Amino acid sequence: GQNIDQPTEMTATEGAIVQINCTYQTSGFNGLFWYQQHAGEAPTFLSYNVLDGLEEKGRFSSFLSRSKGYSYLLLKELQMKDSASYLCAVRDSNYQLIWGAGTKLIIKP
Amino acid sequence: NAGVTQTPKFRILKIGQSMTLQCAQDMNHNYMYWYRQDPGMGLKLIYYSVGAGITDKGEVPNGYNVSRSTTEDFPLRLELAAPSQTSVYFCASSDRENTEAFFGQGTRLTVV
Repeated sequence: GQNIDQPTEMTATEGAIVQINCTYQTSGFNGLFWYQQHAGEAPTFLSYNVLDGLEEKGRFSSFLSRSKGYSYLLLKELQMKDSASYLCAVRDSNYQLIWGAGTKLIIKP
Repeated sequence: NAGVTQTPKFRILKIGQSMTLQCAQDMNHNYMYWYRQDPGMGLKLIYYSVGAGITDKGEVPNGYNVSRSTTEDFPLRLELAAPSQTSVYFCASSDRENTEAFFGQGTRLTVV
């Protein structure tokens, strides 16, 4: 079966750095997405990786290793507004998006 | 720019009732999707469409139906509501299959 694994919950301190991991086993690979979802709101797009390596976008970076079936989202200079769930999703060989359950990130002052 | 608009935001249904969740996008996107999100679970694809007149089943289509008569609209129909359909429903659209999806604000449905 197809599977996306992420930690259920993480806690970090304001101003610090946090890394959220995602491992996947899917039938084929056509890209990996990271979305942010605040409680009670819709997911919003953060990043997209299709080739191995690091994609940097301001305070957020996303890394992909296709051979390891692994990605991480790195958040720097954490702010209270970064408290949210972070969803990892992989597009499989049929171009269907398979979603992880999300990682709830709690930021403490 | 409205993006993806879903209505209603909240709804309570009795078992056996039917309803239609509305979804409209103004970005001229070909791809549209309906997902459900249950607590502690990933988004599950119910139905999707790659263009007007074309729809296909996703991972969890039972109990639902869709139509896509125009590029803009993609309503989701629930027939004979069941408690298992209590969930948050999200409509989304994308320009192509490998680009980011834009989500509506969601419909929180409770079946009692």
